[in-house]
Amino acid sequence: ETGVTQSPTHLIKTRGQQVTLRCSSQSGHNTVSWYQQALGQGPQFIFQYYREEENGRGNFPPRFSGLQFPNYSSELNVNALELDDSALYLCASSLLAGGADGADTQYFGPGTRLTVL
Amino acid sequence: AQTVTQSQPEMSVQEAETVTLSCTYDTSENNYYLFWYKQPPSRQMILVIRQEAYKQQNATENRFSVNFQKAAKSFSLKISDSQLGDTAMYFCAFMKSNNDMRFGAGTRLTVKP
Repeated sequence: ETGVTQSPTHLIKTRGQQVTLRCSSQSGHNTVSWYQQALGQGPQFIFQYYREEENGRGNFPPRFSGLQFPNYSSELNVNALELDDSALYLCASSLLAGGADGADTQYFGPGTRLTVL
Repeated sequence: AQTVTQSQPEMSVQEAETVTLSCTYDTSENNYYLFWYKQPPSRQMILVIRQEAYKQQNATENRFSVNFQKAAKSFSLKISDSQLGDTAMYFCAFMKSNNDMRFGAGTRLTVKP
């Protein structure tokens, strides 16, 4: 069984640039959730993708967007980067067997550390 | 909105002893899930234990067990026979059925030899 993987491990960008982070879900999972974890804080929910559609969103502006592909892997895109976007970005996958309103344990990847200068 | 509070920013315990981490949450929901995740310095979030709110029995996983008090909205984690490898940040998390998972601020646990 392959776990959740994320790429890249680290990334440095400058303010105003755009960034794409990638996540491969655990085999057998159909849902990917993205979280932002600022230093010294707990993760904050950005959004979730289920069967290639956005299935819930946290309190993040539209410049945070995402995609999910037919193989259930996912991308997080952030436009017009700001200094406060510097954080660890975590991806988690799960299996929603009962539809979009279901719930199941989320398994996390190792994260991407984004630094915005 | 659901909130999760971990009132202990840092804790330490001697190897082989027992430690309890506290967590309280606020919700008007009746059906939900609670989790404890561990985040070691390697930063990968690892599931420790899960509790469904409709289950009265407290979840256990080897040396890890919870004390789930639904009426008090309390969900503490007990680690027995603490090991050096248990040193990590521990996050309590709440999830409704729509998978919006809310985390507490975390408790940094240090196991001392």
